[in-house]
Amino acid sequence: QVTLRESGPALVKPTQTLTLTCTFSGFSLSTSGMCVSWIRQPPGKALEWLALIDWDDDKYYSTSLKTRLTISKDTSKNQVVLIMTNMDPVDTGTYYCARSAGDYVWYFDLWGRGTLVTVSS
Amino acid sequence: EIVLTQSPATLSLSPGERATLSCRANQSFTGYLAWYHQKPGQAPRLLIYDASKRATGIPARFSGSGSGTDFTLTISSLEPEDFAVYYCQQRSSWPLTFGQGTRLEIK
Repeated sequence: QVTLRESGPALVKPTQTLTLTCTFSGFSLSTSGMCVSWIRQPPGKALEWLALIDWDDDKYYSTSLKTRLTISKDTSKNQVVLIMTNMDPVDTGTYYCARSAGDYVWYFDLWGRGTLVTVSS
Repeated sequence: EIVLTQSPATLSLSPGERATLSCRANQSFTGYLAWYHQKPGQAPRLLIYDASKRATGIPARFSGSGSGTDFTLTISSLEPEDFAVYYCQQRSSWPLTFGQGTRLEIK
């Protein structure tokens, strides 16, 4: 069974750094064509893609957020980590990790449940 | 960056009716477009990819079409479980982008 699960702090203060971990099972990020992305959704608003890492360790970022984001993977642990610096209240929302695989190149065929992050002092 | 604009923002229909949702891009691109729906409290689910291909397990009442700058998702006969928010997403160029969504509500 393929699953993804996001974990990280529920509350961060403005200017702090957020570290989120996506732990997955049922597939390997060393398999050709496999990718994992981070996508967020402010309350009541639309989805926003943040970053993607692929099996070959290539990384892609949102243009508007790229200076604040770092994505990395630990293939042995089946984990993908997203670091977002200088958090602001507008960064409040649900953060999802999602897989791209096979025919679904850079589409998202499987998602985690998401983790809600609130930025507040 | 490819900007996707979805219309209408809200669509009110009854079960059994046909739904037509639009996704328009600010520049022409190859048909690397997907559609998702999202129910309250849940993660999105992939419905259509490459503009017209149904993802695994998606019923035949969902169909996609379009090319260039104009793409359409059609639901031929609405079931109660289809009422949700629908998003389009392009993978033609970086960064990947989503539309702002269409809320499909029960009339």
